[in-house]
Amino acid sequence: AQSVTQPDIHITVSEGASLELRCNYSYGATPYLFWYVQSPGQGLQLLLKYFSGDTLVQGIKGFEAEFKRSQSSFNLRKPSVHWSDAAEYFCAVAIYNTDKLIFGTGTRLQVFP
Amino acid sequence: GAVVSQHPSWVICKSGTSVKIECRSLDFQATTMFWYRQFPKQSLMLMATSNEGSKATYEQGVEKDKFLINHASLTLSTLTVTSAHPEDSSFYICSARALGQTYGYTFGSGTRLTVV
Repeated sequence: AQSVTQPDIHITVSEGASLELRCNYSYGATPYLFWYVQSPGQGLQLLLKYFSGDTLVQGIKGFEAEFKRSQSSFNLRKPSVHWSDAAEYFCAVAIYNTDKLIFGTGTRLQVFP
Repeated sequence: GAVVSQHPSWVICKSGTSVKIECRSLDFQATTMFWYRQFPKQSLMLMATSNEGSKATYEQGVEKDKFLINHASLTLSTLTVTSAHPEDSSFYICSARALGQTYGYTFGSGTRLTVV
């Protein structure tokens, strides 16, 4: 069965530091992968998605993610974190042949000034 | 850009009453809408998928008689929590997808339901 794992429940970084949020997926074929961000009490906003092609995907707010098939990973990165990036981040994979998404358990990002 | 409005943003109700949550696509026609439930500090769990004009498809373990979903128009889907109990307290989020926009989901801002 398809699944998504986000190993880090909570990450704390200083403002201006680089960031990498991990995401591992379990899927037989090429997955459709997503990263979403959720601010407290809010819905989800799409940061970026990968379907095919270039394995380095650029998203909004300065985020990027790299698809690595050999590692079954789709890690999210940002070179310099801003205090406004503090939020919950979810990795998701689309279920094969459906339009449903499976979400990881999320990583809560805390940013210190 | 695509906007989905979810209302109310929060609601408190008494145990045994019913609550209706609305999800509207404001600037596109949502042929498919999804309803999720999110417990505190946990991930989103898909409850059901609804297509305009047809019955919703519920995920395993979701009580269809308790969580009534209606998708009567291309811009509106509703989730009614019937005979609510404290264990139904949660954050409910909808997302919508337009025809032809495979995997192009737009999420609402969520509804915090508290049953007392």
